[in-house]
Amino acid sequence: AQSVTQPDIHITVSEGASLELRCNYSYGATPYLFWYVQSPGQGLQLLLKYFSGDTLVQGIKGFEAEFKRSQSSFNLRKPSVHWSDAAEYFCAVEKYGNKLVFGAGTILRVKS
Amino acid sequence: DAMVIQNPRYQVTQFGKPVTLSCSQTLNHNVMYWYQQKSSQAPKLLFHYYDKDFNNEADTPDNFQSRRPNTSFCFLDIRSPGLGDAAMYLCATSSIGRNYGYTFGSGTRLTVV
Repeated sequence: AQSVTQPDIHITVSEGASLELRCNYSYGATPYLFWYVQSPGQGLQLLLKYFSGDTLVQGIKGFEAEFKRSQSSFNLRKPSVHWSDAAEYFCAVEKYGNKLVFGAGTILRVKS
Repeated sequence: DAMVIQNPRYQVTQFGKPVTLSCSQTLNHNVMYWYQQKSSQAPKLLFHYYDKDFNNEADTPDNFQSRRPNTSFCFLDIRSPGLGDAAMYLCATSSIGRNYGYTFGSGTRLTVV
């Protein structure tokens, strides 16, 4: 069965520091992968998605993610974090039947 | 702007009193989804409509029902809400075969008292 693992429940980084949020997936075929961000009490906003092609995907708000098939990973990165990036981040894989399966999420805290 | 709109943003209902949450979209997407997200958890798919075809997840309680009267609207009905049904309910849409991804609404926070 398709599944998504986000091994870090919480991450704290200093403002201006780089960020990497980890995501590993389990899927038999070429996966469709997504990263969403959720601020408290809000819905989910799409940061970026990977369907095929270039394995380095650029998203909104300065985020990027790299698909590594050999490692079954789709890690999210940002070179310099801003205080407004504090939120919860969800990695997701599209399951057969056009349904999203989410990881447990990573809460990002930004220190000033 | 094309979007997914959920009403209301906050809903308080009494234990056992039926409640309906609504979702509308201007994207003309053929698939609509309802997710339940409890505090500090990942969103969990309840069911989805592919056009008019209803698809229930195997572990979705019978207490939850859905209606999609037309392409634009989808409703989530909770027949007898329990305290355990308090959650954020997220509506999403997608367009099969166009790789548009999934668009989420802002959610409805349901409180059961």
